[in-house]
Amino acid sequence: QVQLVESGGGLVKPGGSLRLSCAASGFTFSDYYMTWIRQAPGKGLEWLSFISSSSSDTNYADSVKGRFTISRDNAKNSLYLQMNSLRAEDTAVYYCARTYIVGAIPSHWGRGTLVTVS
Amino acid sequence: QSALTQPASVSGSPGQSITISCTGTSSDVGGYNYVSWYQQHPGKAPKLMIYEVSIRPSGISNRFSGSKSGNTASLTISGLQAEDEADYYCSSYTSISTVVFGGGTKLSVV
Repeated sequence: QVQLVESGGGLVKPGGSLRLSCAASGFTFSDYYMTWIRQAPGKGLEWLSFISSSSSDTNYADSVKGRFTISRDNAKNSLYLQMNSLRAEDTAVYYCARTYIVGAIPSHWGRGTLVTVS
Repeated sequence: QSALTQPASVSGSPGQSITISCTGTSSDVGGYNYVSWYQQHPGKAPKLMIYEVSIRPSGISNRFSGSKSGNTASLTISGLQAEDEADYYCSSYTSISTVVFGGGTKLSVV
């Protein structure tokens, strides 16, 4: 079955950097778009970015554009989120999700990894 | 891109039906049939319940249904059960090729 496991979260100081990873299994990773979504403590979901199956197409929310970079390694079945210039408001649980190409719909989600900027 | 508008909370009794609304604009909900609904229990990852306005993924109960009229989408849960108590989020594809979520609705089964 589809399994997505995020890692790389932790405590980082404002202005610092962190790289999140998402290990995928149970499906042909290279066939799917992938998305990063976050959820601040006690708050709602915020879409951050998606990447096409071949990495040819990416897009970002305004809140992270220019600071975060999404990438993937299909040979390693892995998705990444490089986060730079981190701010306190970036504190959240970060989820990766397998995504339907049509409509960019996040369908299967990992359990998330917590990033704390303080 | 502003978040889609959902009621903060709704409640219902076991066996009843409830409807959660999700209002956007012509640049998101009204412009595309790519509205989705997610259920999230405390401490858990969101789970896709409805996609493309009204399609249920495999394994999702037919008690869950979706619809859309203009810029407003709706999720209806019929035959409410205790395990339906959760947070529900809508989302939509947008005209700038992003995705926007609603603020979330807390469903209480009382």
